[in-house]
Parts: sequence; structure tokens; C-alpha cells
Amino acid sequence: AQSVTQLDSQVPVFEEAPVELRCNYSSSVSVYLFWYVQYPNQGLQLLLKYLSGSTLVKGINGFEAEFNKSQTSFHLRKPSVHISDTAEYFCAVSAGGTSYGKLTFGQGTILTVHP
Amino acid sequence: DVKVTQSSRYLVKRTGEKVFLECVQDMDHENMFWYRQDPGLGLRLIYFSYDVKMKEKGDIPEGYSVSREKKERFSLILESASTNQTSMYLCASYTGAGGGYTFGSGTRLTVV
Repeated sequence: AQSVTQLDSQVPVFEEAPVELRCNYSSSVSVYLFWYVQYPNQGLQLLLKYLSGSTLVKGINGFEAEFNKSQTSFHLRKPSVHISDTAEYFCAVSAGGTSYGKLTFGQGTILTVHP
Repeated sequence: DVKVTQSSRYLVKRTGEKVFLECVQDMDHENMFWYRQDPGLGLRLIYFSYDVKMKEKGDIPEGYSVSREKKERFSLILESASTNQTSMYLCASYTGAGGGYTFGSGTRLTVV
């Protein structure tokens, strides 16, 4: 079984500052890793994903994440945030093979960007 | 783009009612999922289906059932709604090969 821990429930930041949203996972098998974003009153949208290969993954809206196998982490970063990045962010993990694509989600991190 | 449509954005139901939440996807995906989302708990898997008439329990199936009579439609059923089932319900379709999910916009259910 997998589990995901998002280390910060809320992250306030000023516009144009850098941000890092932290995610740690546990799994006994190799995994796929995802970050999703949820804007108010909307469903979840895929930001980026790690399946294999390069450990630095680039996604939409200027976000990137780095897979660190030894630390079982998949932190999300953006060098300069905008007001429009205010949303809730979810880290998720899926085991490969016959998992049918089941995702296990973290508790979510609310990013609030202040002017 | 894959589209996942949930029939209702907001629902208010009374305790004890039987509630149906409908979800339709338009890309012939085999795997579909129902999650509920609660503040501070993230998304928790209720049920999923990997083919027509095939289903498996997720992490929190108690009080719920599902139906998948056609590939494109996956329904979540609350047999006898209770106030602790007040939540946001999200349906998702799996794109396959590690592609992640496409989510519907969600149904916010209030049970009074």
C-alpha cells in the first residue's frame, strides 16, 4: 500500500516570491508520482507527473518537481508565483502494474499568494 | 480532450434518501473512480471500476455502492444518505499507461 504526506497544510507567499510545496510518499514498489491543482469550485487538473527517466519534471504554468528516490520525496517548486496560482495542490502516488491506476492522495496544501 | 461530466454541481438531500450521483466520460476509458474530498483529508477512494459491471472497493466504501452498466457511465449510490456523507464527490477517468486522471468538476452533496 502507498501513502502520501504533504508536509504543509497552508503556504502563504507574496507575489513573485519562490515557493516549494513538500510531498513525501511511502511505497514498497516503484511508483508514479503526480501533482494536481484545484482552483476554487473546480475539479482537479494535472500539473505534472513523474513516470520514469529524468528526476526533474516540468509541468504547466511554470511549475516543476524533483523526484528523490532516496528521500522518497516529490517536492513541487515555482521560482516566481502569481496571484492566479492561489489554489489547493495535491500530491498523489500510483503503483505501476495492475493497480488499475488507483491514486492515493495527500491531504492537500492550500497555496495563497498575496499581492 | 477527455471530458468527464458529473450531472449535478450541487445537491441537497434528506437523511435516509437514496441518492444517485452520475458520471459520464467520453473517451472509452476502462477505469473510472469515485472519490470524496473533505477538508484536511484530501481525496479518499470510495469505489472504482475497471470494466463494465466490474467494480472494486476503495478505502471508504461503507454506505456506498456503484453501478457500471455501460462503459461511459459510472454511478455512485448512497443507499440511505446520512449527514456524515455531506461532502464533495469527484469522479475521474483514467487515461492509462501512467497518464493520470481526468476529473469531473465535482458534486457538492449536502445531507440534511
